[in-house]
Amino acid sequence: AQSVTQLGSHVSVSEGALVLLRCNYSSSVPPYLFWYVQYPNQGLQLLLKYTTGATLVKGINGFEAEFKKSETSFHLTKPSAHMSDAAEYFCAVTGGRASKIIFGSGTRLSIRP
Amino acid sequence: DAGVIQSPRHEVTEMGQEVTLRCKPISGHDYLFWYRQTMMRGLELLIYFNNNVPIDDSGMPEDRFSAKMPNASFSTLKIQPSEPRDSAVYFCASSTQGYGYTFGSGTRLTVV
Repeated sequence: AQSVTQLGSHVSVSEGALVLLRCNYSSSVPPYLFWYVQYPNQGLQLLLKYTTGATLVKGINGFEAEFKKSETSFHLTKPSAHMSDAAEYFCAVTGGRASKIIFGSGTRLSIRP
Repeated sequence: DAGVIQSPRHEVTEMGQEVTLRCKPISGHDYLFWYRQTMMRGLELLIYFNNNVPIDDSGMPEDRFSAKMPNASFSTLKIQPSEPRDSAVYFCASSTQGYGYTFGSGTRLTVV
């Protein structure tokens, strides 16, 4: 079985500051990991994903995440926050290809001017 | 590609009425998922299909909920009768071989 825990339901950073959104997972099989972003009144959009191979994954809008098996983590980072990054971010896990994705509870990111 | 298309975008209905939500997945995607999102429960997987066949409906809350996928390009989620606690945003998503989902824009359902 798979599960995912997002630490912090709300994160606030200043514009230009580092963004760090934390995600820890549990999986009985090698996981596939995802980060999604949801803007107000919209569906979820895939930011990036890890399946196999390189553990540092780069996504859209300057975001990246690193798969750390020893820590069972998949934290999302961005070096410099922009006002347009304000949104809800979801970490998700699946137990391999074609399995149903389990979503975390989400982290709302706010950007201070 | 037009993406995953859901209709209607908004639905307001009275308690006891039947509600039908519709979804057109991306052409070529062989998996289709229905999710419900609320403030209290977050994102809940209701049911998913593979090649038009329901694989896991354990998330369907009650017998009032039913979902069908008559062909590869269309799926419906029906609630009959609807109740105020069914008010939520319902998302459809499709994928192929598990390489991440593509979500629709959702249907915001309000049951009064």
